[in-house]
Amino acid sequence: DAMVIQNPRYQVTQFGKPVTLSCSQTLNHNVMYWYQQKSSQAPKLLFHYYDKDFNNEADTPDNFQSRRPNTSFCFLDIRSPGLGDAAMYLCATSRDRTSGSLGDTQYFGPGTRLTVL
Amino acid sequence: GENVEQHPSTLSVQEGDSAVIKCTYSDSASNYFPWYKQELGKRPQLIIDIRSNVGEKKDQRIAVTLNKTAKHFSLHITETQPEDSAVYFCAASGGANNLFFGTGTRLTVIP
Repeated sequence: DAMVIQNPRYQVTQFGKPVTLSCSQTLNHNVMYWYQQKSSQAPKLLFHYYDKDFNNEADTPDNFQSRRPNTSFCFLDIRSPGLGDAAMYLCATSRDRTSGSLGDTQYFGPGTRLTVL
Repeated sequence: GENVEQHPSTLSVQEGDSAVIKCTYSDSASNYFPWYKQELGKRPQLIIDIRSNVGEKKDQRIAVTLNKTAKHFSLHITETQPEDSAVYFCAASGGANNLFFGTGTRLTVIP
């Protein structure tokens, strides 16, 4: 009955080698988010999709890209991973993107832990 | 942008005692305040949330209070149990539902 699924759970890549992380959801939610969480820190929003509308955070590096081919799936592409990109990457979904509405609750996936060698 | 501060960073309580975690936010337009519990290596899990049209919400041993005038909100856990041990994050958002997280509180409940 998993609602937000992330694959793989653990990913090892080499410095500079592109990597793609996957997120899928069975909730039919309109909004999908990608967060980066480094050890002992809070999750930090990278970007989100509202339906097909992509919204990038101002301080998200260009090295991070995202694709959402349909409602259920969203991908995080890291074009040239650096050592500083090693982190847990969390996907989340919400029905709406307007805070204060009953659809604003964000549900997180289990995360993908990325290691960069 | 929004800035959320969270205190304390670590908290140890005896089993059965209460735990209180406090957060402040800077953007008066914020209107949604969730609390997440995150166990080591696991996803953040929503434990309670409050919207700006109410001042307090309770769910069994967990309660959240919100003071919009002072721009602060708090999490209260009563009758703490060892399984409550985790990192707790507060968050705030307004408008576009971009969650801004506090820095987290590591709660340890001592049996």
